Amino acid sequence: GAGVSQSPSNKVTEKGKDVELRCDPISGHTALYWYRQSLGQGLEFLIYFQGNSAPDKSGLPSDRFSAERTGGSVSTLTIQRTQQEDSAVYLCASSFAGTREQYFGPGTRLTVT
Amino acid sequence: RKEVEQDPGPFNVPEGATVAFNCTYSNSASQSFFWYRQDCRKEPKLLMSVYSSGNEDGRFTAQLNRASQYISLLIRDSKLSDSATYLCVAGARAGTALIFGKGTTLSVSS
Repeated sequence: GAGVSQSPSNKVTEKGKDVELRCDPISGHTALYWYRQSLGQGLEFLIYFQGNSAPDKSGLPSDRFSAERTGGSVSTLTIQRTQQEDSAVYLCASSFAGTREQYFGPGTRLTVT
Repeated sequence: RKEVEQDPGPFNVPEGATVAFNCTYSNSASQSFFWYRQDCRKEPKLLMSVYSSGNEDGRFTAQLNRASQYISLLIRDSKLSDSATYLCVAGARAGTALIFGKGTTLSVSS
């Protein structure tokens, strides 16, 4: 079956611009996660959606970052006024509600120039 | 505070070798444990879950020691294709995020 998909695969933007990254989870998965991974670094948790519950935003690094999940499916991560330190690979993962096993999308490589 | 710690390596081993990775987690409330594999410039892929009783999947064996708060992964008969970074993961109660270690790099050579 189809896995987690993300778009775009690559995004180059100028400092100060806003960007939107999209994640389409595996059908039937109610939990959705966003992470980012800088070069040579581990995964940094950003935000977690579970069904209709309020999202866990504890990992968002600043108020320039926000995310929404419409209809319990597709999610969009928005970064406003991008900075060079935002350059990273942004990974989305999804899982069934009753399990913790997460399946990752291919990521969006964001470069802020 | 490093919640999940791993030796970054690299571990350089010949084909056919047995290699073991350990990781420690700091949150004693952790309930779920996994090993993921990440190839260069690719997304992490689930390798195996780690159960309290230990579990095996082919050449891979995972074990959990709750008292010492560490998790291990043993790879037997290493293959060239096992070369990757192995991520140790721990999670607390459902509804909380999983915490990923920074990974241990394995390089298997012929």
